[in-house]
Amino acid sequence: EVQLVESGGDLVQPGRSLRLSCAASGFIFNDYAMHWVRQAPGKGLEWVSGISWNSGDIGYADSARGRFTISRDNAKNSLFLQMNSLRAEDTALYYCAKVRPMIVMNDAFDIWGQGTMVTVSS
Amino acid sequence: EIVLTQSPGTLSLSPGERATLSCRASQSVSSIYLAWYQQKPGQPPRLLIYGASSRATGIPDRFSGSGSGTDFTLTISRLEPEDFAVYYCQQYGSSPLTFGGGTNVAI
Repeated sequence: EVQLVESGGDLVQPGRSLRLSCAASGFIFNDYAMHWVRQAPGKGLEWVSGISWNSGDIGYADSARGRFTISRDNAKNSLFLQMNSLRAEDTALYYCAKVRPMIVMNDAFDIWGQGTMVTVSS
Repeated sequence: EIVLTQSPGTLSLSPGERATLSCRASQSVSSIYLAWYQQKPGQPPRLLIYGASSRATGIPDRFSGSGSGTDFTLTISRLEPEDFAVYYCQQYGSSPLTFGGGTNVAI
């Protein structure tokens, strides 16, 4: 079964850091680009960041650039999001998502995890 | 950044009726880079349509997508009870990738 499982979400104070992880299984992880998408409580979807299959191409939303770093470990079938200088507006459910076709950096997301909740509050 | 505007915000319909959802882009989007998702409460989004009109694996044929340029449409030909949810469009042709604000299809 193709599966993505996020972890690492927590309640943190503004200005602190957090590292999210996404464990992939059921597909050849290093054939696919991966992305992070977030959803604030009661709000819509917001793309955060994406990384190509070989980490050669990386993209960030303006809200994430300079504070968040996406990375992956293909040997461990894992995706990461290092989040620094967290703000209240970063409070959201963070999903990892797999792109539909092999190798392509940006495409529709055909597999999503259940998400991990990040709450930034003092 | 390409802004996607979805309308209406809420669509109130009954099972068996036809639903027509709109997604308008602030600038032209190649049709191969437009997707639609369905999201139910407490669940992650589910891919319905990619490339503006191609159904994802396992998606029933009552769901169809169309459009080009700046205007795209998701049509649900006959609503089933399980179709009542929020629907999002997404463009992935240019960075940053963007989503529309969503349309709530409600009973």
